[in-house]
Amino acid sequence: NAGVTQTPKFRVLKTGQSMTLLCAQDMNHEYMYWYRQDPGMGLRLIHYSVGEGTTAKGEVPDGYNVSRLKKQNFLLGLESAAPSQTSVYFCASSYGVAGGNGHNEQFFGPGTRLTVL
Amino acid sequence: GQSLEQPSEVTAVEGAIVQINCTYQTSGFYGLSWYQQHDGGAPTFLSYNALDGLEETGRFSSFLSRSDSYGYLLLQELQMKDSASYFCAVNRGKLIFGQGTELSVKP
Repeated sequence: NAGVTQTPKFRVLKTGQSMTLLCAQDMNHEYMYWYRQDPGMGLRLIHYSVGEGTTAKGEVPDGYNVSRLKKQNFLLGLESAAPSQTSVYFCASSYGVAGGNGHNEQFFGPGTRLTVL
Repeated sequence: GQSLEQPSEVTAVEGAIVQINCTYQTSGFYGLSWYQQHDGGAPTFLSYNALDGLEETGRFSSFLSRSDSYGYLLLQELQMKDSASYFCAVNRGKLIFGQGTELSVKP
């Protein structure tokens, strides 16, 4: 199993350009997440999905869009990149979420390092 | 609102024991998780406390006290490879992460 994979690994954009980050998981997980991590900070949730065809906003959704057309894939789009979106982006997946009867470990991809000039 | 506080840096020597604290201000959560991240790579799951008390997993243990809004990660018999960033996260269906603690293990 490859687990969670992300493409591309690195990308440099100019302000105003658009791009899509791809996340794929082969663990048949229902839940998928997109985070961003800035220097000295924890991971902040951008958007997440609780199943194929569903998406929801996280803590910092502005400037991003997502789609979950297939269960195994979760796409993160930047329509008009800004320097403030320079960050490391992590995708994660989990089987479910804790419903009072346990936890649900999130499995993370290796990250995409994005620089917006 | 919700926030988690962790020390930004901790230094310890090989073979020692270190405790990384996490205090939080949030209500209504399923449990407290801990993740490890080496050199900016993929975070990996370490431990989870759904209930108050101590959970032990090998050299790592984690503790939660909901009444004190406090938890900690305890690392025993420190090894050089334990040098990494450690994040606590409250599980509210989604994970809300703390800012992380960078642990440096010295010989």
